[in-house]
Amino acid sequence: EAGVTQFPSHSVIEKGQTVTLRCDPISGHDNLYWYRRVMGKEIKFLLHFVKESKQDESGMPNNRFLAERTGGTYSTLKVQPAELEDSGVYFCASSPFQFTGELFFGEGSRLTVL
Amino acid sequence: GNSVTQMEGPVTLSEEAFLTINCTYTATGYPSLFWYVQYPGEGLQLLLKATKADDKGSNKGFEATYRKETTSFHLEKGSVQVSDSAVYFCASQGNDMRFGAGTRLTVKP
Repeated sequence: EAGVTQFPSHSVIEKGQTVTLRCDPISGHDNLYWYRRVMGKEIKFLLHFVKESKQDESGMPNNRFLAERTGGTYSTLKVQPAELEDSGVYFCASSPFQFTGELFFGEGSRLTVL
Repeated sequence: GNSVTQMEGPVTLSEEAFLTINCTYTATGYPSLFWYVQYPGEGLQLLLKATKADDKGSNKGFEATYRKETTSFHLEKGSVQVSDSAVYFCASQGNDMRFGAGTRLTVKP
């Protein structure tokens, strides 16, 4: 069974440009989460999808970030326009149930904004 | 809301040394507690968990006990190996999962 896959693994962009990160969860997992880790600090929650609906987007830092989950399958996280402070590692995780605790993570997408 | 604080790293140990990584939590209610591990080049994976007070989670020689009185969930291993070198994250789950900053462990032969 394929795990959570994320693309790209690393992206380097200039300030003001746009980047779109993609996450393919494990097939059948209704719950999809985005997290971000900046400069070795804590992994911070961004948002949570249940199927195609946003269950909780309280962690999204500002309106430069837009997340979508088409048809309840893969998800994209777009940053537009990117700022220097957006640099970090963006993790995607999925799970079949919301409160069981075990999240299955992708390897992360490292974003560097210059 | 819930949050966790874990000891800052990095931690460097010799093989077969004893490991403790401290983690404390704050929460309304009684969250489930977790340790995740990230090996080089991989995503985070669940190492162990405990869902209620006094529960002990264990896996691969690692243990952690859910202590309500000290709001702690410290990770321990009696004899570390080089292959345990990784970043360890403590996490608590209330309405969503909250992670600590991670502790990088390096084990030298």
